[in-house]
This record gives sequence, structure tokens and C-alpha cells, in this order.
Amino acid sequence: DAKTTQPPSMDCAEGRAANLPCNHSTISGNEYVYWYRQIHSQGPQYIIHGLKNNETNEMASLIITEDRKSSTLILPHATLRDTAVYYCIVRVRSLNNNDMRFGAGTRLTVKP
Amino acid sequence: DAGVIQSPRHEVTEMGQEVTLRCKPISGHDYLFWYRQTMMRGLELLIYFNNNVPIDDSGMPEDRFSAKMPNASFSTLKIQPSEPRDSAVYFCASSLRPAEAFFGQGTRLTVV
Repeated sequence: DAKTTQPPSMDCAEGRAANLPCNHSTISGNEYVYWYRQIHSQGPQYIIHGLKNNETNEMASLIITEDRKSSTLILPHATLRDTAVYYCIVRVRSLNNNDMRFGAGTRLTVKP
Repeated sequence: DAGVIQSPRHEVTEMGQEVTLRCKPISGHDYLFWYRQTMMRGLELLIYFNNNVPIDDSGMPEDRFSAKMPNASFSTLKIQPSEPRDSAVYFCASSLRPAEAFFGQGTRLTVV
């Protein structure tokens, strides 16, 4: 019952920007957009999150459309170590409603 | 901080046996999540706790599964009796308030 739609797979050349799209057309006003990634055999790793504004941290940038119905995660200079499954999640951040449910994600392969 | 610690990392057991998976969350975190990951079903939320109290256990597959959090620094997920279809990687995660969650390395369970 994930609320997001992502392409199942993408390729990216090493050193180039990787742009991973996510559709969340039913997002509510109080729901945040979160991105996680899972490198093979490891636990998911938090990347970034946002509500309305674009966000940037040391790992990535998050671009959220004005209507909030879609977003894009940008890895500015992809490396081979960025090969992973990337999950886009929408969730409410409230004390009594804090479940975090993952969809199928996008398998990003960074190629030399 | 050592992060979320799960034990054991690998568990092989015979069908019908009781299995107990353990998790130590990050100190100070007040939310704890249990997930199960399989190729067929992806990453599923089983249950989560807030301040040691179970908030949502709707993802627990059946009565053979139970989870407890006797104190802020320890949680268990028990399967009794275990079945081959329970074979999966089980992840524990913790977060401080409704914020980004940090995952452990997982326990790979094989039921033969």
C-alpha cells in the first residue's frame, strides 16, 4: 500500500548526475517525502527528506514540485558505490502516526 | 554510537523451532521498528514501538510472530513455531521522535 511510484530500474554513468524520479500524487499536506537507499546486503540508509522546499545535504539534493505530487532525488556526481535500491517514501511525522512503509524502489546501477 | 545492533546476524533453524531475534536501538531513540525483507514481498513493516509501547502491529503476519520491548534499550522478535516461509532478512530500526530512522545490519533467518 505504498503511496509512491518509482521506475523499477535506472542506469547512470559514473561521474554523471543521477536523477531518480518519484510520483506521489495522493500526498497529503502534512506528509513529508523521504528518501532511503539500500546497498546490497545492508540495512536501508537515510538520505534526505523534505516537505515543500527543495533540500540539499552532503549526499544528495531533493527537488519537490510546487504541487508536491512528484519529486526527484539528485546524486550530483554518481560513483560506483552509489549502486543501490533507492526508496521514496511519504509519511506523516506525528507522535502517534510514525509508520514508514517502503515500496519496491528504483534499482540504480552506476556504470564505469 | 555503535548504531542499531542486531543479533544474531545469521540464524539457521529447523521448522517448528522457536526463533528469537534481538535488537538494541540507538541510545536515546524512542521509536523502534521491525521489518522483514524478502525477494517476493520487499521490505515490510511488521510492528513499531514508541517509548516501549507497541503502536501498530498490523504488519505482523500471524500469531506465530510476537514482539516485545521490555525496556528502552532492547527489543525481541519471536517466531514460534517457525516455518520455511519465514525465511527472510529481518531488520530493526530506531529513530528519535518521528524523524529519520537508522537501520541495523539485519538478521538473515533460514528455516529448513
